[in-house]
Amino acid sequence: EAQVTQNPRYLITVTGKKLTVTCSQNMNHEYMSWYRQDPGLGLRQIYYSMNVEVTDKGDVPEGYKVSRKEKRNFPLILESPSPNQTSLYFCASSLTRTSTDTQYFGPGTRLTVL
Amino acid sequence: GDSVTQMEGPVTLSEEAFLTINCTYTATGYPSLFWYVQYPGEGLQLLLKATKADDKGSNKGFEATYRKETTSFHLEKGSVQVSDSAVYFCALWPMNRDDKIIFGKGTRLHILP
Repeated sequence: EAQVTQNPRYLITVTGKKLTVTCSQNMNHEYMSWYRQDPGLGLRQIYYSMNVEVTDKGDVPEGYKVSRKEKRNFPLILESPSPNQTSLYFCASSLTRTSTDTQYFGPGTRLTVL
Repeated sequence: GDSVTQMEGPVTLSEEAFLTINCTYTATGYPSLFWYVQYPGEGLQLLLKATKADDKGSNKGFEATYRKETTSFHLEKGSVQVSDSAVYFCALWPMNRDDKIIFGKGTRLHILP
């Protein structure tokens, strides 16, 4: 089954404790991205990756890191989480970054930083 | 810059009512337009899309027509069901390959039995 998976689905942590949210897709997609969803703000892109070893900042990259060592995986790293990073996070992928492509979303990771 | 504006919710309707969720956009050229749906506790799923003017996207009884003259992509359904309760996002992907997909803020829909 074609899908985007994220882990963990729920995470409660404390300020400053490094964490990683994993994202994996099994569709051989080139393009992957991370979003955060906050009430009243919709979805905002954090980082994206056009292909292996190619990453770039989205709208709200501060406080986040990503890596793309393999085509299927695109982990999101919070080196020193802060309470303002409490949010719902989604990973997404598409075949390419062509405007006619469909983005496929993971189920989401709800992060709470105390 | 490019943007998407969709009607604020929540929208509450009775089952079998007619649904319209308005979406207008600002963009240069001919972007692709999408509607995504997010059911409770899940990620976004593509509901329908249109990639050029006058195209009509349709899926699961929902429809939306790409109107270049009014820069709109309104979502409609003739008879909603309780299972349609969700958050709906209008989105735009600009023609420029270097630009990113832009989402509206979402409209929460409640359908009452």
